[in-house]
Amino acid sequence: SQQGEEDPQALSIQEGENATMNCSYKTSINNLQWYRQNSGRGLVHLILIRSNEREKHSGRLRVTLDTSKKSSSLLITASRAADTASYFCATDAWDTGRRALTFGSGTRLQVQP
Amino acid sequence: DGGITQSPKYLFRKEGQNVTLSCEQNLNHDAMYWYRQDPGQGLRLIYYSQIVNDFQKGDIAEGYSVSREKKESFPLTVTSAQKNPTAFYLCASSGGMGNKHFGAGTRLSVL
Repeated sequence: SQQGEEDPQALSIQEGENATMNCSYKTSINNLQWYRQNSGRGLVHLILIRSNEREKHSGRLRVTLDTSKKSSSLLITASRAADTASYFCATDAWDTGRRALTFGSGTRLQVQP
Repeated sequence: DGGITQSPKYLFRKEGQNVTLSCEQNLNHDAMYWYRQDPGQGLRLIYYSQIVNDFQKGDIAEGYSVSREKKESFPLTVTSAQKNPTAFYLCASSGGMGNKHFGAGTRLSVL
């Protein structure tokens, strides 16, 4: 089942602009994670935010989590052409009885040089 | 990528054939996972294993089988019962921190 849904499905911006991607999910979670995937490659973990956290930063990345709205956002500041990739949110919900992430369908980000 | 090796990178399956995808990790992680990704889609969980000699079905286990005889290895067999096997298959492992480490993937096509 697809727990997380990203919005928008695709985003095209100019280098230097900020990119914001949103993720909504359905059930209670323990943490939410964001991953990046370059075309035809495996996923790379970007950032993990726990259910009791509201905001987290890592370099040019800023993630927020609103558990009351069951939503998260990923902000990439001062984007670069190398940020072009697909970005996925994934939820970790231990109370489902399994420790496996449930992924959304992703946002495809294109950063124009 | 990051201590997880998937092989082969590309695999072709003939009608009625079983094929096995390899996944090996040297991260000393207890948990391992197999996901399927279709074009333009997210990842769907096929099977996962939290510990050696134990594994559980994910959301789309039909037509697939796994084994976990060693901590380092979690091979996935795509059986002839899987009627639409063409996809990108990703293996992942996880220690205690929650984040997953992914392999580079195997792209399976049907001849």
